Amino acid sequence: AILMTQSPSSLSASVGDRVTITCRASQDIRSDLGWYQQKPGKAPKLLIYAASSLHSGIPSRFSGSGSGTNFTLAISSLQPEDFATYYCLQDSNYPWTFGLGTKVDIK
Amino acid sequence: QVQLQESGPGLVKPSQTLSLTCAVSGGSISSGSYYWSWIRQPAGKGLEWIGRIDTSGSTNYNPSLRSRVSISVDTSKNQFSLKLRSVTAADTAVYYCAQTRITIIGEVIDLYGMDVWGQGTTVTVSS
Repeated sequence: AILMTQSPSSLSASVGDRVTITCRASQDIRSDLGWYQQKPGKAPKLLIYAASSLHSGIPSRFSGSGSGTNFTLAISSLQPEDFATYYCLQDSNYPWTFGLGTKVDIK
Repeated sequence: QVQLQESGPGLVKPSQTLSLTCAVSGGSISSGSYYWSWIRQPAGKGLEWIGRIDTSGSTNYNPSLRSRVSISVDTSKNQFSLKLRSVTAADTAVYYCAQTRITIIGEVIDLYGMDVWGQGTTVTVSS
């Protein structure tokens, strides 16, 4: 199975900060990567698919980049509603695998 | 707008079979444009993809569970189901169902992410 190494595991940031989260795949996954946001007690929510495509209805402050083995999720100006846990998911090869998550909390 | 709703027992005894259903509303599960997945999340931990099915009945499973898991689709009821056999306490988790939109052109399949999720259902394995 492809191992998705996500970093950092947690970070503290302030409203208005730029935040970046990275995922590294253990092998080439082309651009077959998505980013998800999860808040406590809620289902994950799709933010980005195919590494850099913004899902419908997601604010433009979220962006994704990368291909191959290195990927980044960026939040350009953190808003109060963005404090959550973020996961990457590769859907290039079975089994699909998630990163371990990055918890973004308030500094 | 498609909605997904998981249902099933919240408590399962060890060694028994966990059975969950995901009802699809607002759209047809028979559309060839989606994969239907199960994902689980133990309390306080990360997400684990269990497996997926398409409307032809083709499945892929996580090898970590393959010997115990099966996913099926019932187009007449517009739902898909998960069965996990011989459960232990390690199978205690919130179980989610989700759809992935796909397009197929020739042999090329493009995926557009898990864009609709159920709210999740908590399953506890305990005697």
